[in-house]
Amino acid sequence: DQQVKQNSPSLSVQEGRISILNCDYTNSMFDYFLWYKKYPAEGPTFLISISSIKDKNEDGRFTVFLNKSAKHLSLHIVPSQPGDSAVYFCAASAINSGYALNFGKGTSLLVTP
Amino acid sequence: DTAVSQTPKYLVTQMGNDKSIKCEQNLGHDTMYWYKQDSKKFLKIMFSYNNKELIINETVPNRFSPKSPDKAHLNLHINSLELGDSAVYFCASSQLPTGSGNTIYFGEGSWLTVV
Repeated sequence: DQQVKQNSPSLSVQEGRISILNCDYTNSMFDYFLWYKKYPAEGPTFLISISSIKDKNEDGRFTVFLNKSAKHLSLHIVPSQPGDSAVYFCAASAINSGYALNFGKGTSLLVTP
Repeated sequence: DTAVSQTPKYLVTQMGNDKSIKCEQNLGHDTMYWYKQDSKKFLKIMFSYNNKELIINETVPNRFSPKSPDKAHLNLHINSLELGDSAVYFCASSQLPTGSGNTIYFGEGSWLTVV
């Protein structure tokens, strides 16, 4: 049962524009959310996170928004750069699962020059 | 230096064989994990160890046996390999097993192909 869903398998954005990656979850016990970035033949690398007590967290070009009532989060990348091209995984965790990460299937982002 | 390193990176083996994947982390973390990414790209937790003790064991066939000789190492041994075991296996580590703000760091992955 997939508790974290990324319904867009791919996204193409022009360099300099905003990239918006979306993620939905079903488990209301999730209280910590993360985004990971993955290049081919490499492991996922941590990008940004947000606790359920917040609705926004910003780190440079990356901002994560959390809408708990809608069980939805999004990652905004502004401005997008070609080096941002990668697969982005949304992940969520809850204390009653030992804080193991539940991942979405990922969204492949392509930033074109 | 690689923070979480796993070997081998690529492994091709025949059905029925027994194989191991090794993992080491030099971050001083107390908790280590094994995740599996299957052909559908789902990345799922398999096991979690905290200070050499098993704390998470998802529904994984008992052909998979993790071994943690110390808190910096978590090896994965797989007996009687099956075609469906073909996947990418990621080792990971974090400072704490519980508590909000738990960032997990991943190794580069081990590509296992069973033929």
